[in-house]
Amino acid sequence: KNEVEQSPQNLTAQEGEFITINCSYSVGISALHWLQQHPGGGIVSLFMLSSGKKKHGRLIATINIQEKHSSLHITASHPRDSAVYICAVNYGGSQGNLIFGKGTKLSVKP
Amino acid sequence: DVKVTQSSRYLVKRTGEKVFLECVQDMDHENMFWYRQDPGLGLRLIYFSYDVKMKEKGDIPEGYSVSREKKERFSLILESASTNQTSMYLCASSSPGQGASQYFGPGTRLLVL
Repeated sequence: KNEVEQSPQNLTAQEGEFITINCSYSVGISALHWLQQHPGGGIVSLFMLSSGKKKHGRLIATINIQEKHSSLHITASHPRDSAVYICAVNYGGSQGNLIFGKGTKLSVKP
Repeated sequence: DVKVTQSSRYLVKRTGEKVFLECVQDMDHENMFWYRQDPGLGLRLIYFSYDVKMKEKGDIPEGYSVSREKKERFSLILESASTNQTSMYLCASSSPGQGASQYFGPGTRLLVL
């Protein structure tokens, strides 16, 4: 069964800290997505990766295809970064369907 | 700016009622999806559609049906609502092909009494 595991499940940080959220998956994929969900429900796509590294502002996402692992980093964290971060993958053979991790709840304290 | 809208943000229904949740996207996307999200379980796929009048079961289709009569609109139907269908329901759309980003609606929080 294709599975996506995230760690940690919950994370509390002080403002300014460097944060890392990890995602591992079990089978070959065509793409990996990082999503953000704020309280209230709306989900936005942060990154889509198939190799290497992407950066957007204070957010950095990396993927290691051989190790089946991705990380999301947040530099100089801020309370407005508090949200649930979700990793999702398109596995080979799918038609655009995603398999989701259970999410990492991040709380950044001022 | 891309947009996926859902007909209600909050909904309260009684057991046995028929419930319609509607999703509309303005991006001319072929793919549309319905998920439910429950604490500790993450997002689970109920149904998806790759084209008008086409539907495929996801991981948890029992107790649900869908309708896609127009490309921009994808409806989720609870034929006879039950308390275990109390959940957050999220709609998404994407262009075709592997790796395409999905765009999510704001969600409908459904409470079945």
